[in-house]
Amino acid sequence: GAGVSQSPRYKVAKRGQDVALRCDPISGHVSLFWYQQALGQGPEFLTYFQNEAQLDKSGLPSDRFFAERPEGSVSTLKIQRTQQEDSAVYLCASSRVRGNTGELFFGEGSRLTVL
Amino acid sequence: AQSVTQLGSHVSVSEGALVLLRCNYSSSVPPYLFWYVQYPNQGLQLLLKYTSAATLVKGINGFEAEFKKSETSFHLTKPSAHMSDAAEYFCAVSDPGGTSYGKLTFGQGTILTVHP
Repeated sequence: GAGVSQSPRYKVAKRGQDVALRCDPISGHVSLFWYQQALGQGPEFLTYFQNEAQLDKSGLPSDRFFAERPEGSVSTLKIQRTQQEDSAVYLCASSRVRGNTGELFFGEGSRLTVL
Repeated sequence: AQSVTQLGSHVSVSEGALVLLRCNYSSSVPPYLFWYVQYPNQGLQLLLKYTSAATLVKGINGFEAEFKKSETSFHLTKPSAHMSDAAEYFCAVSDPGGTSYGKLTFGQGTILTVHP
């Protein structure tokens, strides 16, 4: 597609439910990032994929958070047993390069509200 | 560890006035620096980046930023604000080390309001 696509755009979950957030990066982009943006804050790094390999998951806040990118394209961020503190906008970004000077292209985000 | 501080969560200017958004960083190595803009209901978009070439960097929409190592700053400026510049702006830093793969650390953001 023309840009990074994320779905759903909005998700309301009851505390304890599992949720899955999908990211379709720009075709051919090697690098894929997930960020979490709490209300009034800047995005915070969650995890990074280079193709299908998850090279860094140091930002995942707990073992309830899991991300995958099995074929090196679409990625899914899964949150198990959601808690109220998980409420945030989850941003996906992709880049065509492996290096660190490449521009990140962000999706519009998935806004998760946990009641 | 790297960090970014954006001074002022809200900045308000009149149309045609100078825009100055402040960003200071902390990094143990010379960093790469970025400014991103987020318009309502849109994804973050790169405005400009500094990657150790010229210290004065020009970006899209008339914005520019100057890397000042002695001040550990990367302030964003625009000579004349337009109504369309109203958005949230994020400063970000990345470690240029070989294993960093573009991981960004963001500031908390500055909301720019432009008055007619």
